[in-house]
Amino acid sequence: LAKTTQPISMDSYEGQEVNITCSHNNIATNDYITWYQQFPSQGPRFIIQGYKTKVTNEVASLFIPADRKSSTLSLPRVSLSDTAVYYCLVGDIGNYGGSQGNLIFGKGTKLSVKP
Amino acid sequence: EPEVTQTPSHQVTQMGQEVILRCVPISNHLYFYWYRQILGQKVEFLVSFYNNEISEKSEIFDDQFSVERPDGSNFTLKIRSTKLEDSAMYFCASSESLAGSSYNSPLHFGNGTRLTVT
Repeated sequence: LAKTTQPISMDSYEGQEVNITCSHNNIATNDYITWYQQFPSQGPRFIIQGYKTKVTNEVASLFIPADRKSSTLSLPRVSLSDTAVYYCLVGDIGNYGGSQGNLIFGKGTKLSVKP
Repeated sequence: EPEVTQTPSHQVTQMGQEVILRCVPISNHLYFYWYRQILGQKVEFLVSFYNNEISEKSEIFDDQFSVERPDGSNFTLKIRSTKLEDSAMYFCASSESLAGSSYNSPLHFGNGTRLTVT
């Protein structure tokens, strides 16, 4: 499984756009890139997933360059409630009994949003 | 929106005792998982389960651990003889089976059981 590298922490202010970049230099052809958010004492929550180029949903955007060796999670106009740890995961397409259950969480990026 | 539910939210037990952590995955999901998170540390994979058998397990998931799907809705994690170092948040997760699809089904996590071993 591809190893990911993210900044340990980031600070921002309310209303700003936040971009968190994740490096995954040895990503495999079949690997998708998935981002999760975790608040204290809660389970990780799925934010967004992509394979290449750009993906956007109601919460965030995910930018993936052509070489797929990195990805950037973009949170538009953050609020105090976006203060959380954000995890970038890289994992294979699920097969029956396949590798999805072995998704490895790194230490994530602790985002602090200030008023 | 359907969600994964876990009970209890907090369990305190004495070292050497057996504990069973319970989870109700999302009803149409076919893959089930347990993760744990020691306070201040990373979320660690324990085990995945599909079609009534373990698909994968980590080094953490030794003989003290077992999982079971006793009926059509519950998924349990048993720790036979708890140790102090088993104190952690235990998260259950589930996902749809999309094998053969080009889309990777994300994990849906519960809010965890905080296990405290004294």
